[in-house]
This record gives sequence, structure tokens and C-alpha cells, in this order.
Amino acid sequence: GEDVEQSLFLSVREGDSSVINCTYTDSSSTYLYWYKQEPGAGLQLLTYIFSNMDMKQDQRLTVLLNKKDKHLSLRIADTQTGDSAIYFCAESPSGGSYIPTFGRGTSLIVHP
Amino acid sequence: KAGVTQTPRYLIKTRGQQVTLSCSPISGHRSVSWYQQTPGQGLQFLFEYFSETQRNKGNFPGRFSGRQFSNSRSEMNVSTLELGDSALYLCASSLSSGFSGNTIYFGEGSWLTVV
Repeated sequence: GEDVEQSLFLSVREGDSSVINCTYTDSSSTYLYWYKQEPGAGLQLLTYIFSNMDMKQDQRLTVLLNKKDKHLSLRIADTQTGDSAIYFCAESPSGGSYIPTFGRGTSLIVHP
Repeated sequence: KAGVTQTPRYLIKTRGQQVTLSCSPISGHRSVSWYQQTPGQGLQFLFEYFSETQRNKGNFPGRFSGRQFSNSRSEMNVSTLELGDSALYLCASSLSSGFSGNTIYFGEGSWLTVV
């Protein structure tokens, strides 16, 4: 079955870049998503990438996709304390159930 | 445009009781899905409704049920509550159903504590 793996924690200094990594197993995945969850809140869609793309940039966010290695990353430039949150990677397969599978989330801690 | 609205935001129930949670999707969205989030299990899919019909179902016992109304609003019900049902229940809506890339948008969630 599908599986999405993420490291649990990442700590960075304010102003540095953060890179959150994700691996997935379903080669039929067509859309891959990044969601952000702040304390006590629901998941906010940050960005997504279609599987025929290698990269997508949106302001401070850069998503890189290596389809061969089934590796997805989210880079946050100039990380701020407001970026502290849990970041979820999710993949949506093309066939059968399209229901997205989520990783466990990476807790990003930004310190001054 | 209002987002996904879930009520109540917080509630405490006793073991053996039942609970009903409500979700109003984004206007125009016809698909509503429910997820359970716990520290130990992460985000787990419960079920999805589209046009008042359950389209997909996750691996949860029959105590978990849901329904969707003609205005796309959805409710989920958990009967005979157990301590392990304590979780954040998230509702998500999307325009339609059944294809990849159908981006889902989440509500703030309902925090359920079972004591």
C-alpha cells in the first residue's frame, strides 16, 4: 500500500533556509502536496506539484520533486518564527482511490 | 469566501456516550471528507461523502459513521465512545470527487476528549 515518510523534527535558525524532506512509495502518484498545521489549527494547503514537474516556486517556497527516487522536498527561504509549525507531505494516486495519503508530519522549530 | 467550518471546536464526552460533529464545506464544494488526527497514528482517513453518498471509507469500526445533506453539509457520529477516540477530527472539502489532484481544504477541526 501507499506510504509517505517524513522526518519528525527540524530545527533551524531564523533567517536560514529550511528543507523538509518526504519520500513516498506509490509510483502512480500524480499530485503531491504540502500542508502546514499551526498549533490548535487545521491543515492549510501551502502548495502542490504535479508529477510531471521537477520544481515549483511560490515566493519563499520551493518544491523539488525527484520522481525517480520518489523524493519530495519543501524549501522555505529566509525562515521566520511564524513558520514554526508541522508540515505534512501528502500524495494522491492516479488510480483507484484518489484519497490522499499523508505523512506523519515534520515539526519545524525556528529559533532566534 | 468562507472556509470549511466545523462545530463544535472543543468538547468533552464520557466513555460510552455518543457525539455528533458538524462540517460546512466551502461554498460550491460538494465533496466532504473526514480525518482523525492523533499523536500516535497521525492523520487517518475516515470517510468521504459526495452528493449525499459515501464514496470512500477508511479502516475504522462501525461506531464511526457519517452522512451528508443536500446542501453538502456533513455530520459524523461516533457511538459508544472509547478513551482512544480522543483526537482532533478534521473535515475537508473539495469541489468534486474521484480524481487525483482534487485539492482538499481543511477546517480548523473539532477537538474531542473522552474521559
